Amino acid sequence: NAGVTQTPKFQVLKTGQSMTLQCAQDMNHNSMYWYRQDPGMGLRLIYYSASEGTTDKGEVPNGYNVSRLNKREFSLRLESAAPSQTSVYFCASTLERFGNTIYFGEGSWLTVV
Amino acid sequence: KQEVTQIPAALSVPEGENLVLNCSFTDSAIYNLQWFRQDPGKGLTSLLLIQSSQREQTSGRLNASLDKSSGRSTLYIAASQPGDSATYLCAVEQGGSEKLVFGKGTKLTVNP
Repeated sequence: NAGVTQTPKFQVLKTGQSMTLQCAQDMNHNSMYWYRQDPGMGLRLIYYSASEGTTDKGEVPNGYNVSRLNKREFSLRLESAAPSQTSVYFCASTLERFGNTIYFGEGSWLTVV
Repeated sequence: KQEVTQIPAALSVPEGENLVLNCSFTDSAIYNLQWFRQDPGKGLTSLLLIQSSQREQTSGRLNASLDKSSGRSTLYIAASQPGDSATYLCAVEQGGSEKLVFGKGTKLTVNP
């Protein structure tokens, strides 16, 4: 069972560069999420997609864009990376909104220099 | 704004000890509360999900309780083992919201 798969696992970017984090789930889930985890800040929601074709901002959306390419895939794009975006990024999915177990990917470690 | 607090931030116990991890939240209007485990360099693994109408959930040596009115949950780990060493996070699914609000976690070390 693959579950939630994220790529790449590690990435170093220079300030101003762009990149896309890819996420795919094979559990036929409707809702998908992107979180970032920072020391002392915990996990914070960047964007989410309640269903295919919809996306909404979370707590910290500035500097990011997302695409729900299809039911399986939800990508996160950094258009012009900044050092403040150095973080660990987690993709997650759940069957439906509210009241269901949420499954996380293994994380993507991003460093912006 | 919902705030989730986990105390202590770190806990070290000898193998075999029973232990309790605490989680508190400020707004009782929640759909559910989840406990997660995170190993170093890994993602989060869901351990237990307690719906707002439930008082507790059990899985093996783990038991989680929920007191929504007082804004508290506990995760009880029986007969702890070195393999239980990890960071444990709780998160509440906020009513009317699309997101989980996470605590900052308790880092547990179980010493052989």
